[in-house]
Order: sequence, then C-alpha cells, then structure tokens
Amino acid sequence: EVQLVESGGGLVKPGGSLRLSCEASGFSFSSYSMNWVRQAPGKGLEWVSYISGSSGYIFYSDSVKGRFTITRDNARDSLYLQMNSLRAEDTAVYYCARDANTGSFDFWGQGTLVTVSS
Amino acid sequence: DIQMTQSPSSLSASVGDRVTITCRASQSISTYLNWYQQKPGKAPKLLIFAASTLQSGVPSRFSGSGSGTDFTLTISSLQPEDFATYYCQQTYSTPRTFGQGTKLEIK
Repeated sequence: EVQLVESGGGLVKPGGSLRLSCEASGFSFSSYSMNWVRQAPGKGLEWVSYISGSSGYIFYSDSVKGRFTITRDNARDSLYLQMNSLRAEDTAVYYCARDANTGSFDFWGQGTLVTVSS
Repeated sequence: DIQMTQSPSSLSASVGDRVTITCRASQSISTYLNWYQQKPGKAPKLLIFAASTLQSGVPSRFSGSGSGTDFTLTISSLQPEDFATYYCQQTYSTPRTFGQGTKLEIK
C-alpha cells in the first residue's frame, strides 16, 4: 500500500525556517518524481515544488523560489522541503504528492500544518 | 503561467442529480488535465487524469471530457459521498496550476 507521511510542521515566526519531511512507503520511491502542494486555510490548492526521481529536475513556484529548497534521499525513501525566510502568507497545510507517470498526482500524504505568526 | 478557471465556484444539488463542472485553461493544454476531489480536513484524491481517464477505484458515475482549453467533469447521479470540493489541474507546463475549486453542496 502506498503511503506518504509528512512531518515537521509547526508554529514559526516570520523570517524563520522550517524543514518538512515526507516519508514514503509501499512503492519504489526513486522511480517517481514528487511534489509539494500547499493549501492556505480556507483556500484552494497551490503547487509549490517538483523534484524528479534522480533529483536532476527541480522546479518551484514563483512564490517560493529562492526561499524554499526541495530535496530527496532515495536511500531513506524521503522527500524534504527546506523553508527559509518564512512569511505569513506561507501559512498552509503542506502536502507531499507522488507524480504519476501520467503527470497527475496519484497519491497524497495527510498534510502537515505550517503556521507563520509572531 | 497557465491560468485555470472553474465554473461554477459553488453548486447546490440533490442526491441523484446529474452535475457538470467546467474548467477552462488560459491557453491550450491538449489533454494534460486532471480532476481531484477534496473533502474537509482530508487530502485531495485523484479522480480523472489525462482529461478523461478514470483513476483506478473511482466510481464510473464520474467522467471527464475535453481537450485544448475547455474541459468538463460530470457526475452522472450524485451520491451522498460526492459532496465535496473539486479541483482541476493542468500538467502541461510548470507551474502546475490548479483551478480555484468548485464546492458541491447538498440542496
């Protein structure tokens, strides 16, 4: 069974940093690209970042470029999102999502809440 | 960036109704269009990919159509568990933008 479990969320002050993790199981992690998607309270879905299976291709949304860094450790079946210079508008539930070969996001984690507030 | 616009933003319907949600892309995306269902407090769930292909395990009352810029999600006969928010998403190019969502409520 495919499982994605996020962790690392919490309350952080503006300008602070946080590192999210997503632990994968039930599939060959290195064979799949992965994504981070976020959802601000009461709002819609926003794609944040993408990383290919070998980490050779990485993309970010303009809203996080230069502040967030996506990485993965295929030996640990884990995906990460390092978030620096956090702003109030980064407050959201952050989901990791598997990138199916079709380009869709076929499995999602349960999400982890990041709150940026003083 | 490709903008995705869904209509309506909200919709009231009854169990058994046939419902259609539309999604329009700001430029042609071929059939690189996916539909997701999200219930409160839960992660999104993939329903349809490549505009019209039903994800494994999704009931056949869900269907998708369209290509280019105009797409539809149809639920042929609403069931109680279908009341949720639906999102379209393009994966033609990065950023992989989502529509703003359509909230389907019980009438």
